[in-house]
Amino acid sequence: GQNIDQPTEMTATEGAIVQINCTYQTSGFNGLFWYQQHAGEAPTFLSYNVLDGLEEKGRFSSFLSRSKGYSYLLLKELQMKDSASYLCAVRGAGSQGNLIFGKGTKLSVKP
Amino acid sequence: EPEVTQTPSHQVTQMGQEVILRCVPISNHLYFYWYRQILGQKVEFLVSFYNNEISEKSEIFDDQFSVERPDGSNFTLKIRSTKLEDSAMYFCASRARLADPSYEQYFGPGTRLTVT
Repeated sequence: GQNIDQPTEMTATEGAIVQINCTYQTSGFNGLFWYQQHAGEAPTFLSYNVLDGLEEKGRFSSFLSRSKGYSYLLLKELQMKDSASYLCAVRGAGSQGNLIFGKGTKLSVKP
Repeated sequence: EPEVTQTPSHQVTQMGQEVILRCVPISNHLYFYWYRQILGQKVEFLVSFYNNEISEKSEIFDDQFSVERPDGSNFTLKIRSTKLEDSAMYFCASRARLADPSYEQYFGPGTRLTVT
């Protein structure tokens, strides 16, 4: 079976740090992705992890532990424009890279 | 920056009608995908397409759905006889060569399909 869990909603303050967790149980694993999605818009790529550890990209970092089936996305120096849904997605067992998405975490950044 | 485009942005159709959703992937990409997102729900994989044929499809992609790359640039999703439950945002995505280490998929802006 395929199961990807993330919190439904989170709230944080402008300038703060927030961590969005994702746990997954999938029949195959070929990498984990984080996407940002503003309401009514397409998902946009944030990060990709295939090996254990932390990947840093500006204000965004993503961590993966394959043995625990766990990832998190860390957002630093939050800005109002970071208010969006954050989607955790696992590349499935198939060879063509199709993604299995979680339900997304809606992040609200307050002033 | 190259981008995936989709037309129309919004399509309203009556139940039982056929619809064709159109996508123009990024020009040097080789792998193409359709996803859908019912309002308030998660993004769901429908189908992947490579080398002019379907490579994988989900349980959602039944006989009512078909895909085509008719002219080397457009990538279309056809729903033969729409149902109310087909109402959703449909996203097209494309990806570069398999050697792309991040396997990053670029998503189009989506077509909102409303079936009445």
